[in-house]
Amino acid sequence: DAGVIQSPRHEVTEMGQEVTLRCKPISGHDYLFWYRQTMMRGLELLIYFNNNVPIDDSGMPEDRFSAKMPNASFSTLKIQPSEPRDSAVYFCASSRDDGNQPQHFGDGTRLSIL
Amino acid sequence: SQKIEQNSEALNIQEGKTATLTCNYTNYSPAYLQWYRQDPGRGPVFLLLIRENEKEKRKERLKVTFDTTLKQSLFHITASQPADSATYLCALSGGYNKLIFGAGTRLAVHP
Repeated sequence: DAGVIQSPRHEVTEMGQEVTLRCKPISGHDYLFWYRQTMMRGLELLIYFNNNVPIDDSGMPEDRFSAKMPNASFSTLKIQPSEPRDSAVYFCASSRDDGNQPQHFGDGTRLSIL
Repeated sequence: SQKIEQNSEALNIQEGKTATLTCNYTNYSPAYLQWYRQDPGRGPVFLLLIRENEKEKRKERLKVTFDTTLKQSLFHITASQPADSATYLCALSGGYNKLIFGAGTRLAVHP
């Protein structure tokens, strides 16, 4: 079975540019999570969806960040405009809707904003 | 808000010994707690889940304990191998299907 697929794996761009990160969750999973990982702050939840609907976006750092889930098999996290402090590894994860289910992570997108 | 503490220093042990990693939390007792393994350049991988009414859970060489009085979980790897070297993250339930992760502890098993 295919796991969670994220693209691109690496992204290097200049400050002020728009960045779009993509995620394909595991088929049949009803929950999708976006995380950011840095050395200083560890793994932080940004936003999560249930059945394509955003449930909790309290972790989104500011208005420059937005996330969408147009269908059950695709989600995007967009940063516009990007800043150097956004540099981090961004992970997408998915899980089933059975309560306290383990989360399955993709291998992340390493984002560097110059 | 919930605060999770994992030993930030790396744990170095000899092959064959038991590794014990600690996860402490400060606020409410979560409904469940999970442990994940993360290798460099990869996403976290789920290992074990333990519920608040369970004291111990085992899976092969892994054992997790959950003490709601001490607000602590211990994660043990018996007969450790160099392949067990990785960062181990504990995560607490923070609401329905939502997890709060600790910073992780890096384990190095030396031959």
